[in-house]
Amino acid sequence: DIQMTQSPSTLSASVGDRVSITCRASHSISSWLAWYQQKPGKAPKLLIYDASTLESGVPSRFSGSGSGTEFTLTISSLQPDDFATYYCQHYNSYPGTFGQGTKVEIK
Amino acid sequence: EVQLLESGGGLVQPGGSLRLSCAASGFTFSSYAMSWVRQAPGKGLEWVSTITISGGRTYYADSVKGRFTISRDNSKNTIYLQMNSLRAEDTAVYYCAKDRTSGYCRNDLCYSPQPLLFDYWGQGTLVTASS
Repeated sequence: DIQMTQSPSTLSASVGDRVSITCRASHSISSWLAWYQQKPGKAPKLLIYDASTLESGVPSRFSGSGSGTEFTLTISSLQPDDFATYYCQHYNSYPGTFGQGTKVEIK
Repeated sequence: EVQLLESGGGLVQPGGSLRLSCAASGFTFSSYAMSWVRQAPGKGLEWVSTITISGGRTYYADSVKGRFTISRDNSKNTIYLQMNSLRAEDTAVYYCAKDRTSGYCRNDLCYSPQPLLFDYWGQGTLVTASS
C-alpha cells in the first residue's frame, strides 16, 4: 500500500500569512492527489484534485503543486475561515490512503 | 443539490453487528461509485470500502475485509454497510462519500474513471463498539 506522510502535523499562523503543507507519497502517484479541509464536527470538503486543480467554489488563495511523490498545499493569505485540519489523499490505487492531517491553528 | 444522509449508527457490544445506510439525492446515483470512509475519535480519515456503479465490484480495507460488506440498491438511491464482528477499534464516525466523476457501463463492464476521489460527503453517523 502507498503511505502518505504530511508535515507539519500542526501549524500556527496568523491571518494574512502564507502557509504551506507538504505531503509525501511512499511511491509515485503521478498527479492523483487530492486535498481536503475539515472543520470540527463536519465532513471533509474537497479543495484540490489532480494535485493542482481547484474544485469549483474554492477560493483562489488555495493552490496545489507537485507530482510523483512530493506535493504542496499553499494558502496565499490565511483567512479566519481557513483555520481547520487539512488532509491529503492519493487516489492512484486501492486503498486511497489519507495523510495523517495538518491542523492549522491561530497563532 | 447533492445530499448524502447516513443512518444506522449507534452503540453495539464488541462482536455485534450493525447496518449503516446512506440515502442519496440530487444526482444520478446509478452513475457514481460510492464509498464509506471512517474517522475514529480525534484521529484521521481512513477509507473503508467502495462499491462500483453497478455493484458488481467491491473493495475493502484490510482492517475490515471479511467482516464488513458494502452493497447498493440503485432503485432506492441507497448504499449500505453491513458490519459484523465489530471491534472496539471500529469505533468511529462513518461517512459515505460520492465519487467526483461519473462512470459508465459498456458490454456488461462498468468503469469509474477516478475512483476514490470524493466531491460530496454525508454528515456522518457514529458507531461505538463498547461493552
